Amino acid sequence: EVQLVESGGGLVQPGGSLRLSCAASGFTFSSYAMSWVRQAPGKGLEWVSAISGSGGSTYYADSVKGRFTISRDNSKNTLYLQMNSLRAEDTAVYYCAKDKRGYSHRRYYYYMDVWGKGTTVTVSS
Amino acid sequence: SSELTQDPAVSVALGQTVRITCQGDSLRSYYASWYQQKPGQAPVLVIYGKNNRPSGIPDRFSGSSSGNTASLTITGAQAEDEADYYCNSRDSSGNQLVVFGGGTKLTVL
Repeated sequence: EVQLVESGGGLVQPGGSLRLSCAASGFTFSSYAMSWVRQAPGKGLEWVSAISGSGGSTYYADSVKGRFTISRDNSKNTLYLQMNSLRAEDTAVYYCAKDKRGYSHRRYYYYMDVWGKGTTVTVSS
Repeated sequence: SSELTQDPAVSVALGQTVRITCQGDSLRSYYASWYQQKPGQAPVLVIYGKNNRPSGIPDRFSGSSSGNTASLTITGAQAEDEADYYCNSRDSSGNQLVVFGGGTKLTVL
């Protein structure tokens, strides 16, 4: 069974740090790009960051660039998100997701076909 | 542009057909993907590519696109379809970023 399980969330003070993990199973982890997506309380989905299958390319939303670092350990089938200088507005449920992309019928396609259940990050004093 | 625009809320009578739309410049280059999210649960992919459903998604869900607009259609809406629906694609500016629409709350009456 293809599965993603996030961990590492919790309560942290503004300015603090936290590292999230996402354990993958049931697929060849290193073959797929992965993303982190978050959802603030009562709000919509916000893409946070993505990383290529090899880990050689990383991408960030402007809202987290310079503060968050995405990484992966393909030997451990695990995705990470290091979050520094946390702010109240970073409070959210953080999901990891498996990316798929390609080209068909004269258009590109991109989607996230597997999601974890999420881990909650609360930034508050 | 890196934005995808959705109507905040849509309603449909039980058993009727409803269309949820998503607009954005990136949709001229990318097919939208669609996700269903019920309260307290993670999003679930319901449509991807030109009009593809993952295994387990009922065939009453379908997708289409024209120009800068993508649509998710539910034909014969059921009570269990009441949920938030989000569209998603890559930003077409070439910076490899990802965008989500603001979401549409679907109410089944």
